[in-house]
Amino acid sequence: EVQLVESGGGLVQPGGSLRLSCAASGFTFSTNWMGWVRQAPGKGLEWVASMMQDENDKYYVDSVKGRFTISRDNAKNSLYLQMNSLRAGDTAVYYCARVAAGGRVGDWGQGTLVTVSS
Amino acid sequence: EIVMTQSPATLSVSPGERATLSCRASQSVSSNLAWYQQKPGQAPRLLIYGASTRATGIPARFSGSGSGAEFTLTISSLQSEDFAVYYCQQYDNWPWGFGQGTKLEIK
Repeated sequence: EVQLVESGGGLVQPGGSLRLSCAASGFTFSTNWMGWVRQAPGKGLEWVASMMQDENDKYYVDSVKGRFTISRDNAKNSLYLQMNSLRAGDTAVYYCARVAAGGRVGDWGQGTLVTVSS
Repeated sequence: EIVMTQSPATLSVSPGERATLSCRASQSVSSNLAWYQQKPGQAPRLLIYGASTRATGIPARFSGSGSGAEFTLTISSLQSEDFAVYYCQQYDNWPWGFGQGTKLEIK
C-alpha cells in the first residue's frame, strides 16, 4: 500500500521559512516523479512544484519561483519542500503527491497545514 | 498557462439520478486530463485519467469523455457517497492546472 506522510507544517510569520518533508513507502520511490500540491482554506487545488526521479528537472508555479525549492533523497525515500520568504498567500494545506505517468496524481498524502500570519 | 474552467460551480442532483460535470481548457490538452473527487477533510482521490480511463478501484458508474479542450465527467446513478467536490486537471503542459471545482450536492 502506498503511503505518503507529510510533516513540518505549522505557524510561521511573514518572511519566515519552513521545510516540509514527505516520507514515502509502498512503492519504488526512486523511479517516481513526485511533487507538492497545495490548497488554500476553502479554495481549490494548485500544483506548487514537481521533480523527476533525479535532481535534473524541477518545475515550479510562477508564484513560488525563487522562494521555494523542491528536493528529494532517494536513499531515504523522502521528498522535501523548502519554503522561504513566506507570504500570507502561501497559507494552505500542502499535499505530497506521487505523479503517475504524464502528470496526474496517482497518490496523495494526508496534507500538512502551513499558516503564514503575524 | 492553460486555464481550466469547470461548470457548473454547484450541481444539485437527487440520489439515483445522473450527474454531468463539465471541464473546459483554454487550449487543447489532448487527452491529458484527470478527474479527482474530494470529500471534506480528505485528500483528493484520482477517479479518471487519460480523459476516459477509470483509476484502480473506481466504480463503473463514473465515466469520462472528451478530448482536446472539452471534457465531461458523468456519474450514472448517484450514490450517497458521491456527493463531494470534483476537480479536473490538465497535465499536458506545466503548470499542471486544476479547475476551480464543481460541488455536487444532494437535491
